[in-house]
Amino acid sequence: DIQMTQSPSTLSASVGDRVTITCRASQSISGWLAWYQQKPGKAPNLLIYKASSLESGVPSRFSGSGSGTEFTLTINSLQPDDFATYYCQHYYSYPWTFGQGTKVEIK
Amino acid sequence: QVQLQQWGAGLLKPSETLSLTCAVNGGSFSGHYWTWIRQPPGKGLEWIGEIFYNGIDHSGSTNYNPSLKSRVTISMDTSNNQFSLRLSSVTAADTAVYYCARRGLITGISRWGQGTLVTVS
Repeated sequence: DIQMTQSPSTLSASVGDRVTITCRASQSISGWLAWYQQKPGKAPNLLIYKASSLESGVPSRFSGSGSGTEFTLTINSLQPDDFATYYCQHYYSYPWTFGQGTKVEIK
Repeated sequence: QVQLQQWGAGLLKPSETLSLTCAVNGGSFSGHYWTWIRQPPGKGLEWIGEIFYNGIDHSGSTNYNPSLKSRVTISMDTSNNQFSLRLSSVTAADTAVYYCARRGLITGISRWGQGTLVTVS
């Protein structure tokens, strides 16, 4: 199985900050990576697919980059609604696996 | 707009079989991967498996997480646009919120059900 490792596990930030979350794959996954946002008690919500494609309806302050084994999710100008947990997930080869999550907290 | 509505038993005893069903409303059932994912309380996400329906015949191709493969069956009812999960011989380690979802070939998992908490006790 391909292991996905996110860093940091927790991130404290303020409204208006620029936030970057990193996801590393244990082997190359080309660009087959998605990012999700999850709020407590809710299903995850797709933000980014194919490493850098913005899902329809997702604010443009979210962006993704990377290929191979290293990927980043960037949130420009953090908004109150963005405090949540973020997960990366590869879909390069079965089984699909997720990172352990990054919780973005209010500073 | 596709919506996924899921249901099933929320409390099981050890060794019983978990059974959940997900109805797909407002979109095409063919040409997508219909997926099950679970999340233990306070923990991360685990992909269980998925089924793909090509819309040509009434069979679907499945892929399962090897860690669960011996206990998992995902099936579909194309006439009712539904797909189901069965997980046999459950233990307390199977306690989790179970989500049904839709995955595209290129996109990630773009539609999710509301989630069902299944407790094994």
